[in-house]
Amino acid sequence: SAVISQKPSRDICQRGTSLTIQCQVDSQVTMMFWYRQQPGQSLTLIATANQGSEATYESGFVIDKFPISRPNLTFSTLTVSNMSPEDSSIYLCSARVSQYGYTFGSGTRLTVV
Amino acid sequence: GQQLNQSPQSMFIQEGEDVSMNCTSSSIFNTWLWYKQDPGEGPVLLIALYKAGELTSNGRLTAQFGITRKDSFLNISASIPSDVGIYFCAGVRSYNTDKLIFGTGTRLQVFP
Repeated sequence: SAVISQKPSRDICQRGTSLTIQCQVDSQVTMMFWYRQQPGQSLTLIATANQGSEATYESGFVIDKFPISRPNLTFSTLTVSNMSPEDSSIYLCSARVSQYGYTFGSGTRLTVV
Repeated sequence: GQQLNQSPQSMFIQEGEDVSMNCTSSSIFNTWLWYKQDPGEGPVLLIALYKAGELTSNGRLTAQFGITRKDSFLNISASIPSDVGIYFCAGVRSYNTDKLIFGTGTRLQVFP
C-alpha cells in the first residue's frame, strides 16, 4: 500500500501566524483528504483535495482559514492561517490508494501559544 | 461534522481476555473500515468490510458488516499488551462521495 510522508511532525507556533503542512504520497492518487483530531477526540474531515480543482470543505471549515493546494497527484499542502490556541490539534492527511483503501500520514501535532 | 457512534468509549481488560466493540449509525454505509491509532501516529487500517453481512478476520481480529448496513462490530480475541491503543470505526456512505467518516473511538487498555 502507499506510504504518506507528512511534515512537520510537530510545531509550536505563535498566535496570529500561519503554518503550512505538507503531505507527499509515494504513488499517484486521485483523492487526498485533510483531517483534524483535537486532543482526545476522533478525526474530523476538514476538506477533500482533488488535483486540478478547488478543495471541497466540510461544514465549519473555510478556505480562508485552511487553504489547501493540490498541485499534482502525489502532493498536497494544508495551511492553518492566523492561528489561535483553539487551532491546537493534530492534523492528518489521507489518500485513497485503492477503491476502498485509505492510508494516513503520521500527523502534525500543532501547538499554538 | 458527522460521526459514527462507537461503544464502549473505553475498556480496561486483562491480558488474554476477548474484546468487543461496535459502531452504529442512523445512516446506511457502503463500506466499513476499522483502524487502530497508536500515540503520535496516524490511524492504521486493520480490517475492511465491503458488503452487508460480511465477516472478515485478520489474525486475532474479526469484524462484521451489519446486515442493516448501519452498524459494524470488531472483536479481538486473546488480547495482548500491544493491543493497547485507540480503535476507530470508519465508514463510506456513498460510492460517489468517497468521504471517510470516523467513529468516536474506543480506547483500549490491556493489563498484564
